[in-house]
Amino acid sequence: DAKTTQPNSMESNEEEPVHLPCNHSTISGTDYIHWYRQLPSQGPEYVIHGLTSNVNNRMASLAIAEDRKSSTLILHRATLRDAAVYYCILNRDDKIIFGKGTRLHILP
Amino acid sequence: NAGVTQTPKFRILKIGQSMTLQCAQDMNHNYMYWYRQDPGMGLKLIYYSVGAGITDKGEVPNGYNVSRSTTEDFPLRLELAAPSQTSVYFCASSYPTLGPDGQPQHFGDGTRLSIL
Repeated sequence: DAKTTQPNSMESNEEEPVHLPCNHSTISGTDYIHWYRQLPSQGPEYVIHGLTSNVNNRMASLAIAEDRKSSTLILHRATLRDAAVYYCILNRDDKIIFGKGTRLHILP
Repeated sequence: NAGVTQTPKFRILKIGQSMTLQCAQDMNHNYMYWYRQDPGMGLKLIYYSVGAGITDKGEVPNGYNVSRSTTEDFPLRLELAAPSQTSVYFCASSYPTLGPDGQPQHFGDGTRLSIL
């Protein structure tokens, strides 16, 4: 299985940027890096994905290391609604394996 | 669009009872998935399907059965409910892979199931 490692929890102040790290040292050349988040009592929600280049969308940015063994999800200006569990996942053959993710706490 | 719809939202079963968790999607996605999530844990893949008539096992298939007779529906069956199956069940769907790229999965809101 394609494994990822994330910190169990992180805190950030409201309206400040947040950098969520992820290690995936066993990534293979065809694995895409996906990020999902799960708000309380909801199903996971897709955030962003990428292969080699950094990616931006309306929700976040994804910075991928040159060797692809790590990546960072960047929330540019955290709000209270961004408090959630964030999952970093390697998508291999249309199957995604969830770890425990990082629980992000936003301080007002 | 409704997206992915799961029913029921909550259910309590007695040990040994059976039930079917329903999942329907209106996005014409080929791929559908069933996950379970135990408290404080990530999601574990139970079964998945790449199209009507095709299903395959995930990480934790024991105690469950699935069928996929249409593109839209992917029901999950529990034949003999056990306390270990108390969990939150999520259904998801996606478009198929284009080359090595995996399309994002769209999730339902879950079914909270308790086995007593």
